[in-house]
Amino acid sequence: DSGVTQTPKHLITATGQRVTLRCSPRSGDLSVYWYQQSLDQGLQFLIQYYNGEERAKGNILERFSAQQFPDLHSELNLSSLELGDSALYFCASSVEPRDPVGYTFGSGTRLTVV
Amino acid sequence: GENVEQHPSTLSVQEGDSAVIKCTYSDSASNYFPWYKQELGKRPQLIIDIRSNVGEKKDQRIAVTLNKTAKHFSLHITETQPEDSAVYFCAASPHGSSNTGKLIFGQGTTLQVKP
Repeated sequence: DSGVTQTPKHLITATGQRVTLRCSPRSGDLSVYWYQQSLDQGLQFLIQYYNGEERAKGNILERFSAQQFPDLHSELNLSSLELGDSALYFCASSVEPRDPVGYTFGSGTRLTVV
Repeated sequence: GENVEQHPSTLSVQEGDSAVIKCTYSDSASNYFPWYKQELGKRPQLIIDIRSNVGEKKDQRIAVTLNKTAKHFSLHITETQPEDSAVYFCAASPHGSSNTGKLIFGQGTTLQVKP
């Protein structure tokens, strides 16, 4: 167990719908990162939050948004879903906002859009 | 822009042989280079990492080497075992003016160790 908790583990939804993925960071970690892993692909950085504030943005679609709450958990919202959004979505957490050393990934949410 | 290229995409070796995976990064200010192992459907797990002020690091059968001048780093696995079969990802942490701990990942190498 990495200490990073993601829910749900699996999600199946139809095109055009909206879903919310949740991530609770490891205890003591203030920074949360979201990554997307499409089939047979590497991990693509989407967005980072640190202590409630957006810290960095990657190639995140406008249909996607995220936030980090006062209790430090984060949610990734995906709307107007398309078939191509089917992927594994991982979050990771770290103590420092600029230092990825030692950060670990959650078990991921597998999103299937049908 | 920030980019990490990883080769080969697939690698098949006999049990007991060595395996080498190579990565090249574009951002010369990158200062941290982790390697992750991912089994099917599971989360990536850190297996070894290296900082830019170190040329080589070893942990039992696994070693990583870094050539800052050439901007490339490599993963070496010796005495491979069937349980080493997985997808391996290299990554680099772009630094410079960056204010983030994000990682840029390579495309992955599927390693198959044949018994």
